[in-house]
Amino acid sequence: QVQLQESGPGLVKPSQTLSLTCTVSGGSISSGNYYWSWIRQPAGKGLEWIGRVYTSGSTNSNPSLRGRVTISVDTSKNQFSLKLSSVTAADTAVYYCARSGSGWYQVFDIWGQGTMVTVSS
Amino acid sequence: QTVVTQEPSFSVSPGGTVTLTCGLTSGSVSTNYYPSWYQQTPGLAPRTLIYFTDTRSSGVPNRFSGSILGNKAALTITGAQADDESDYYCVLYMGSGIWVFGGGTKLTVL
Repeated sequence: QVQLQESGPGLVKPSQTLSLTCTVSGGSISSGNYYWSWIRQPAGKGLEWIGRVYTSGSTNSNPSLRGRVTISVDTSKNQFSLKLSSVTAADTAVYYCARSGSGWYQVFDIWGQGTMVTVSS
Repeated sequence: QTVVTQEPSFSVSPGGTVTLTCGLTSGSVSTNYYPSWYQQTPGLAPRTLIYFTDTRSSGVPNRFSGSILGNKAALTITGAQADDESDYYCVLYMGSGIWVFGGGTKLTVL
């Protein structure tokens, strides 16, 4: 079955750009009408949807983060990526990648295990 | 900005029934928002419980059910068990590719 795995640096300096990649295994990122999202969770707090990408490359993002978020897809590598610019300590969180459907299947049905990113000098 | 509301905490006795809700600061939640529910235990990724308001995800026990109650989405746990003690999150699809999570409910079973 499809599995997701996040990867990237665990420590990012303030004002720099956070970069993470999610690798899709067990299936093609291009098959089916699925969207690929990034979701984060600061320690002890709730989940926050960051944004999503479709395999065509079209994206949507959380208005509260718009301007700092870039999400892209590389179908040849079966991966999608997140770049979050100008990070501060408030961006310290566990970052999850997740798959969602379309039409009536609006649900995050597959999640990665999450990766911790700390913003600190 | 639209905020999705959930009870911060709830308590239920073992074997009891509890209903968690998911609302909006402005307006009513309907099936058009495709409410879905997730269970999360500390240190783990969320687990999908319910989607499209009331459809159980594969492998989810039938003691978990979803519905619309009044102007909110609801997750009901019937016959709560000790391992149901978790954080529960709802998320609403706002349209135009935008999702908004609720703040989560910490459920205690005691």
